[in-house]
Amino acid sequence: AQSVTQPDIHITVSEGASLELRCNYSYGATPYLFWYVQSPGQGLQLLLKYFSGDTLVQGIKGFEAEFKRSQSSFNLRKPSVHWSDAAEYFCAAYNFGNEKLTFGTGTRLTIIP
Amino acid sequence: GAVVSQHPSRVICKSGTSVKIECRSLDFQATTMFWYRQFPKQSLMLMATSNEGSKATYEQGVEKDKFLINHASLTLSTLTVTSAHPEDSSFYICSALRERYEQYFGPGTRLTVT
Repeated sequence: AQSVTQPDIHITVSEGASLELRCNYSYGATPYLFWYVQSPGQGLQLLLKYFSGDTLVQGIKGFEAEFKRSQSSFNLRKPSVHWSDAAEYFCAAYNFGNEKLTFGTGTRLTIIP
Repeated sequence: GAVVSQHPSRVICKSGTSVKIECRSLDFQATTMFWYRQFPKQSLMLMATSNEGSKATYEQGVEKDKFLINHASLTLSTLTVTSAHPEDSSFYICSALRERYEQYFGPGTRLTVT
């Protein structure tokens, strides 16, 4: 079955440190991939997406993600995190078979001073 | 652009009553909208796909008679939780499809059934 896996349930980083959130997908073909952020009690905001082309994609709020076909990964990165980045992050893949988004289980990011 | 609103943001109702949640795409027309449910510290679970002018498509295990969905216009979809019970308490999030593959999400509605 097609799936999206986020191995890290919770990550804590210091403010100003770099960040990498992991996402792996299991699909027959290269899916369309997304990263969303959810602040407490809020809906989801699209950070970035990958459909094709350049495997390093830039998003909003200083985030970027790199698609690696050989590793079936689409990891999210930020060189220097800010306290306001504390939130839940979801990786998602578009399923061409049923035309729906499949979400990973999310990674909760905590920022410490 | 691509703003989706939900109303209300929070609602508390008594067991056995019905609650309606509205989802609006404010600056684009959405033929397709989606309704998700999210339990605390968990991911989003797709409940149903709402298509303007036709019946909603429900995911397996979702009671269509309990969760009534109406998509009467290109900017409005509603979810009605009928005869709500405490186990229906959850965070409900809608999304609207602006372009193929791109969903824009509302801010969510926190439902508490007492």
